[in-house]
Amino acid sequence: NAGVTQTPKFQVLKTGQSMTLQCAQDMNHEYMSWYRQDPGMGLRLIHYSVGAGITDQGEVPNGYNVSRSTTEDFPLRLLSAAPSQTSVYFCASSSAGRNIQYFGAGTRLSVL
Amino acid sequence: GQQVMQIPQYQHVQEGEDFTTYCNSSTTLSNIQWYKQRPGGHPVFLIQLVKSGEVKKQKRLTFQFGEAKKNSSLHITATQTTDVGTYFCAITGTASKLTFGTGTRLQVTL
Repeated sequence: NAGVTQTPKFQVLKTGQSMTLQCAQDMNHEYMSWYRQDPGMGLRLIHYSVGAGITDQGEVPNGYNVSRSTTEDFPLRLLSAAPSQTSVYFCASSSAGRNIQYFGAGTRLSVL
Repeated sequence: GQQVMQIPQYQHVQEGEDFTTYCNSSTTLSNIQWYKQRPGGHPVFLIQLVKSGEVKKQKRLTFQFGEAKKNSSLHITATQTTDVGTYFCAITGTASKLTFGTGTRLQVTL
């Protein structure tokens, strides 16, 4: 039972590069979210989706794009990486009824 | 959007001592959730509280939801080294978006 799978686990980028963080869930959850975690800041919501084809912005959306073409996948795109985007990124999914977040293992991103 | 304040930011206890973390909101909450994140790991759901004055226990962990549904606490009795980690509360806002507190990092030493 895989749950929420994130790839890659680690990534180093140069300023200005673009990349996509992958997230997939096999629990048929309607909701999926991307968070970033920085020391002392807790988990901050980047983007959010309540179902295929529907996305919404969270607290810190600038510099990130998302799309949700299937229930299972919710990739996060960094358009032009900046050092301020150095962080740990977590993807999470939840069912519409209970809204309990199931997190992936995270992607540790460094932007030089 | 809704915000939740969590205190303390950090606590260091000796094994066997008790520990409490608090979450406070200025608005009435529909529910509150608690998560634990081990060092280097990802957050894991612990519990959800929904009713005013609700108290729930999980072994040595006791969770409370305030009577006014504006605050909550997590109390650990007789801490163990396995309790090390960061504890987060989370509240549900518009469109079921979760807002997390900043977390309380617990360090337990022998």
